Amino acid sequence: NAGVTQTPKFQVLKTGQSMTLQCAQDMNHNSMYWYRQDPGMGLRLIYYSASEGTTDKGEVPNGYNVSRLNKREFSLRLESAAPSQTSVYFCASSAGGSLTYEQYFGPGTRLTVT
Amino acid sequence: DAKTTQPNSMESNEEEPVHLPCNHSTISGTDYIHWYRQLPSQGPEYVIHGLTSNVNNRMASLAIAEDRKSSTLILHRATLRDAAVYYCNVLTGKLIFGQGTTLQVKP
Repeated sequence: NAGVTQTPKFQVLKTGQSMTLQCAQDMNHNSMYWYRQDPGMGLRLIYYSASEGTTDKGEVPNGYNVSRLNKREFSLRLESAAPSQTSVYFCASSAGGSLTYEQYFGPGTRLTVT
Repeated sequence: DAKTTQPNSMESNEEEPVHLPCNHSTISGTDYIHWYRQLPSQGPEYVIHGLTSNVNNRMASLAIAEDRKSSTLILHRATLRDAAVYYCNVLTGKLIFGQGTTLQVKP
């Protein structure tokens, strides 16, 4: 099993460009999450999807949109990238949405916006 | 949401036990305590979680105070590979990662 996969691993964007970060899990998990991690800081939740067909805002949703394409895939879109969105983005999944279930994280996408 | 407090950093010698503390004085009765760790340049990795009783798994042990206002993650024999940032999370609904404790393991 691959677990949680993310593409791309690295990306450089110019201010104003758009892009979509892809995430897929093969563990048949119901819930999926997008986090960002800025240098020297902890992770902050951007959006999450408790189950297929639902999405909710997290702590820092401004400037992002998400799509839960199916049970396996959860994408994060930056419509107009800004330098403040330079960060490492992590996708995660869990069997359920409550904290009785552990989250499994992908390897991350390192995004630089110039 | 319960706030957690962890030391910024700790040091340990290889093959010695490590006790990583976490204070969560505003925890409610249904809040689970979760620990994750993040190795350099990797995504976070689940370590252990518990509610009231102490918990053990292949990676670590979790000791929860009787009043649940604090907990301690115990690595029984630290290895160089255990050098990471350790995050304690206490929250209903969503995980929110704070600054965590950076553990250095000296050979």
